[in-house]
Amino acid sequence: GQSLEQPSEVTAVEGAIVQINCTYQTSGFYGLSWYQQHDGGAPTFLSYNALDGLEETGRFSSFLSRSDSYGYLLLQELQMKDSASYFCAVENRDDKIIFGKGTRLHILP
Amino acid sequence: DAGVIQSPRHEVTEMGQEVTLRCKPISGHDYLFWYRQTMMRGLELLIYFNNNVPIDDSGMPEDRFSAKMPNASFSTLKIQPSEPRDSAVYFCASRGTENYGYTFGSGTRLTVV
Repeated sequence: GQSLEQPSEVTAVEGAIVQINCTYQTSGFYGLSWYQQHDGGAPTFLSYNALDGLEETGRFSSFLSRSDSYGYLLLQELQMKDSASYFCAVENRDDKIIFGKGTRLHILP
Repeated sequence: DAGVIQSPRHEVTEMGQEVTLRCKPISGHDYLFWYRQTMMRGLELLIYFNNNVPIDDSGMPEDRFSAKMPNASFSTLKIQPSEPRDSAVYFCASRGTENYGYTFGSGTRLTVV
């Protein structure tokens, strides 16, 4: 079967850096994605890692270690608008994406 | 592009009634996915299509749920008869073959009373 584990909640301070971890178990792994979802909104795509290493997109970076079945999302220079839920998602070779339960990020002023 | 378009945005119906949710994917995207989101179960994949053909419907809860994609620009998810436990936000998402990320629609919030 497939499973993804990520913390249910994380709290950080405005301007700081926060890391959201994700571990997964799956067969036929293809890549790891991250999505952001604000309350009442739809998930929006943030990043995708198929190979080991760090991918940087502005204030957000995503890391993958295939050998450890582990990845993380790094958010820098946190802003209040970053308060949202963040989902890691595993894509397998059958083209479908399975989502984790999400991490709710609280940002304190 | 207007993105993935779902309708209706909100639906309130009585138990036992038929519910039809609609989705228009982004033009040129050849994958379409239906997800259901609840607090308890998170985002669950119900079914997905590739080039209008259903590929995997193993996530469809039971026979009360059915989905169709008659052409590249339209898909429906039908629940008949609806039950209170079907209350959730239903998302449609699409993706092109050369894209990594999905684009989600705004969702349909379904309440069955």
